[in-house]
Amino acid sequence: DQQVKQNSPSLSVQEGRISILNCDYTNSMFDYFLWYKKYPAEGPTFLISISSIKDKNEDGRFTVFLNKSAKHLSLHIVPSQPGDSAVYFCAAKPAYSGSARQLTFGSGTQLTVLP
Amino acid sequence: DAGITQSPRHKVTETGTPVTLRCHQTENHRYMYWYRQDPGHGLRLIHYSYGVKDTDKGEVSDGYSVSRSKTEDFLLTLESATSSQTSVYFCAISEEGTGTVMNTEAFFGQGTRLTVV
Repeated sequence: DQQVKQNSPSLSVQEGRISILNCDYTNSMFDYFLWYKKYPAEGPTFLISISSIKDKNEDGRFTVFLNKSAKHLSLHIVPSQPGDSAVYFCAAKPAYSGSARQLTFGSGTQLTVLP
Repeated sequence: DAGITQSPRHKVTETGTPVTLRCHQTENHRYMYWYRQDPGHGLRLIHYSYGVKDTDKGEVSDGYSVSRSKTEDFLLTLESATSSQTSVYFCAISEEGTGTVMNTEAFFGQGTRLTVV
């Protein structure tokens, strides 16, 4: 039973347009959410996070939106660039966890930004 | 970039042989983790460590053991490798949040691609 779901295995977007990556979760104890980006032959790198006390967090071209009632979060990339082509993992953990040991990952979405 | 080194980066081994993967960190972080990445499953936690000689099981621990004799090193051992353990293995580290900084992200190594034939 996947507690964090990324239902789109892949997404293609034209350069300069908006990329929207979606993530759904089922565990109501999840209170902190993260996005990781992964290039081929490299490890995942932390991109952006959001706590449940917020509904939006912005960092440059990247914005994460959280809808707690729908148990849904999304990552917006505006404008998309070819260098953004990577696999994006959504992850979630309970607030009571003071470390990353309770992180639950989604299966990832391959984003391809076309020049 | 966090100082995490995984070795080897690639390994091909035969079914039934023991295999040990090594993770070395230079960040002095308390927590270390081993994940495996498989298509359709994302990253799944195998084992983690919360200090020297302190380890615990993750979601997919069957067939794996770990050891941490020093803060900087975390070893993952497949006692008798099987084809189902063909995967990409990632080591990660994190520090424990304190006070209001309760939510810390994990930093990942570059991965080890293991093929069991």
